[in-house]
Formats: sequence, structure tokens, C-alpha cells
Amino acid sequence: GAGVSQSPSNKVTEKGKDVELRCDPISGHTALYWYRQRLGQGLEFLIYFQGNSAPDKSGLPSDRFSAERTGESVSTLTIQRTQQEDSAVYLCASSLGPQGTGSPLHFGNGTRLTVT
Amino acid sequence: GQQLNQSPQSMFIQEGEDVSMNCTSSSIFNTWLWYKQDPGEGPVLLIALYKAGELTSNGRLTAQFGITRKDSFLNISASIPSDVGIYFCAGCYTNDYKLSFGAGTTVTVRA
Repeated sequence: GAGVSQSPSNKVTEKGKDVELRCDPISGHTALYWYRQRLGQGLEFLIYFQGNSAPDKSGLPSDRFSAERTGESVSTLTIQRTQQEDSAVYLCASSLGPQGTGSPLHFGNGTRLTVT
Repeated sequence: GQQLNQSPQSMFIQEGEDVSMNCTSSSIFNTWLWYKQDPGEGPVLLIALYKAGELTSNGRLTAQFGITRKDSFLNISASIPSDVGIYFCAGCYTNDYKLSFGAGTTVTVRA
């Protein structure tokens, strides 16, 4: 497709379960980002992948969060032992390059995660 | 990321009115971006600003990059119902990849 695709669009899980969220970036975009958006708040940076460089994981809130990316394609964000405070919309975005060079982020529609 | 303060938090406006929102940062940025998010969707880029003092328009939208590099504003002229949504400012440094986002301005238009 032409845009960033995320799946599932909605996920309800019980506290303590693991969840896996998937992102398909725009073809040819070397940069991929995960952001978290809590209700009524702005976007919180989680992790960034750029080509073959080591990912920037500085935004991951705890060691229960991890993400992988295969080459310059699909990425998965995994949350282990989910907690209620993990409930949020998880947004994936991709871009051709860094933000200051005229390569804007293109966002997917997000995965709404609800932990009960 | 850096702290961005976006105001107002929300606004109700009459169709046809002009609206303005702004964003300030605790430190300087080299890039300011404005996004709009519709319900159930991801944010979509509206305007990108790369130079201090730059004034850029996109249809009824106008945004400016403040000369101090610590602020930006977005104006919407002659608002229409489809302007409803959440508007986010975001900033970063040149060649950086981490965007810092404001908390958003929720716009509701009264017909």
C-alpha cells in the first residue's frame, strides 16, 4: 500500500499477557519510529530504527518493551507482562531520512491497546 | 525530548472564524512542524518550517517559525467543519530524528 500500515487496529488484552504490534512502513523509507499516545496527550517517542544502524531505544519506558525491525521493512513492538498503564494508542511512522532535511514523518493509524 | 507547551488546550470556534494556536519550547529548534490528527487516524503533516522567521501557507493554514527559534504559531482562516481535530506542534534539530510533540490543541467547530 501507499501508506504506513499497522495491525491490529485494536487490541484488548488482560493484564500480565504479552502483546505484539506490527508496522509495515512505506516502501523505501529507511527510518522507522514508534510513538505512544496516551489519551489527551501528545506523542511520546519510544524507539527509532535507521537503516543498519543500532536502534535508539532511549524512549522505551521499561524493559518490558522491545522492538525489532527486519532490514528496512516490517517492525514489531512487543510489550511483555502488560500493565494497565500501557493502555494507549501506539503509532508507527516512517520517513526517508532525518526530520530536519525535509523528510517528514508519515504515520500509520495506530494500534489502540487496552489492558484490562 | 524537549518540553513543548502548546496552547490553547482546546477551543470552540464558529464556522467562518479565524483561529490561532501557538507552541513554545524551552530550547531552540531548527525545524518546526504542525500536524493534524483526525479521530482514529495518525497525525498528518500540515506545514513544515525550516528557517527562523519563515512564514508558510498551505491553503487556509499559515504557520510561522519564531525568530527566537523557540516558538511557532499556526493560524486557520475561515474555519470550516472539517477543520475539527487535534493539532500538534512538533520540533527537532537539523538532522535529528526525534520529534518533540506538544500536547495538542483540540478544535471543535460550531456550524
